[in-house]
Amino acid sequence: DVKVTQSSRYLVKRTGEKVFLECVQDMDHENMFWYRQDPGLGLRLIYFSYDVKMKEKGDIPEGYSVSREKKERFSLILESASTNQTSMYLCGSKGAPDYEQYFGPGTRLTVT
Amino acid sequence: LAKTTQPISMDSYEGQEVNITCSHNNIATNDYITWYQQFPSQGPRFIIQGYKTKVTNEVASLFIPADRKSSTLSLPRVSLSDTAVYYCLVGEGLTGGGNKLTFGTGTQLKVEL
Repeated sequence: DVKVTQSSRYLVKRTGEKVFLECVQDMDHENMFWYRQDPGLGLRLIYFSYDVKMKEKGDIPEGYSVSREKKERFSLILESASTNQTSMYLCGSKGAPDYEQYFGPGTRLTVT
Repeated sequence: LAKTTQPISMDSYEGQEVNITCSHNNIATNDYITWYQQFPSQGPRFIIQGYKTKVTNEVASLFIPADRKSSTLSLPRVSLSDTAVYYCLVGEGLTGGGNKLTFGTGTQLKVEL
């Protein structure tokens, strides 16, 4: 059974804090993704990675960075959290040539 | 990347067939059309994917006309548990590797008794 796990379901941080969101997949997938989901805006891609140490910007990368040191793990970093980064964060992974993307349960981040 | 347009919301009753149409006028030759389903507080889940004509699985059918500028997800005999957001995506290419997925705002389907 495929599995994508995220380090926390709920997280509360203060403005200016550095925040790490971790995602781990056990399917040996090459591709991993970070999205944020906000009411009325759907899922928006922040960053994705197609291999270890490789990354590409998505549609809304500003204020975020990522790290992929191992194939199974993809981290999203908020260098200095701001209140407009309060959101649901979803991690996805996808292999090739498999077309299906699998998602984690999401992390609801609140920045106060 | 091809942009998709779907209705924001749809209402239905249990036992009815629901058809959700997605338009994607700028679809590329090697793009596939994929639909995902998302329940509250969960990540999206793959439903069905197709390239042209019709695809059917145990959950849904996907109808794609010859020009591929639109597609229709058909859910037969919906139940309350089908209440969810449905996303239409276009992309991924033939190899399926490394390409970005663009989710739109999705269609909120509400099924009532």
